[in-house]
Amino acid sequence: GAVVSQHPSWVICKSGTSVKIECRSLDFQATTMFWYRQFPKQSLMLMATSNEGSKATYEQGVEKDKFLINHASLTLSTLTVTSAHPEDSSFYICSARVGPFTGELFFGEGSRLTVL
Amino acid sequence: AQSVTQLGSHVSVSEGALVLLRCNYSSSVPPYLFWYVQYPNQGLQLLLKYTSAATLVKGINGFEAEFKKSETSFHLTKPSAHMSDAAEYFCAVSERDDKIIFGKGTRLHILP
Repeated sequence: GAVVSQHPSWVICKSGTSVKIECRSLDFQATTMFWYRQFPKQSLMLMATSNEGSKATYEQGVEKDKFLINHASLTLSTLTVTSAHPEDSSFYICSARVGPFTGELFFGEGSRLTVL
Repeated sequence: AQSVTQLGSHVSVSEGALVLLRCNYSSSVPPYLFWYVQYPNQGLQLLLKYTSAATLVKGINGFEAEFKKSETSFHLTKPSAHMSDAAEYFCAVSERDDKIIFGKGTRLHILP
């Protein structure tokens, strides 16, 4: 199956700093990627849909200026958490669709962010 | 809008016993339905999906699920549990587009 890789897997930062998380499709081109946030022992919450070459579409309640998404190439989408605060600590997961919609998404390994 | 309800946040079964994880959905159109598995600190892996073909869907690792429209259910089963099945399982629904809504998950514990 298609491989999606996230980096870093773990990141710890100080409050007020910005953190960038990368999501790469390793063996396919992904025109659309998705960013999810997962709180401890809870489900995944869709944050935004990232389209290559255009602005991301954010879900209701997600701050665009807080969570900057860039999808500059067909194999890379980045999520930048700006001016991070402890409440931003979470597990962030990206996923990608291969070709036209078939109902299947391929997920990255996730990135755990801890803001001190 | 679509939604998913997973009954039971934790399920424990003995090794070798039947696994049954329950999922009910709500959708305004014929849905796509999915089961994903998540191991600790990892992303999600697709177990199986229903996209309007056969109502009994077979997936990886011996899992299967049956789509029952009359009951709006998509329960996941496996005849004989293995220790390696211990993980978090998510049921998900999509109204035939990219927006996939996940349930809250069920943690499956396998007892030796």
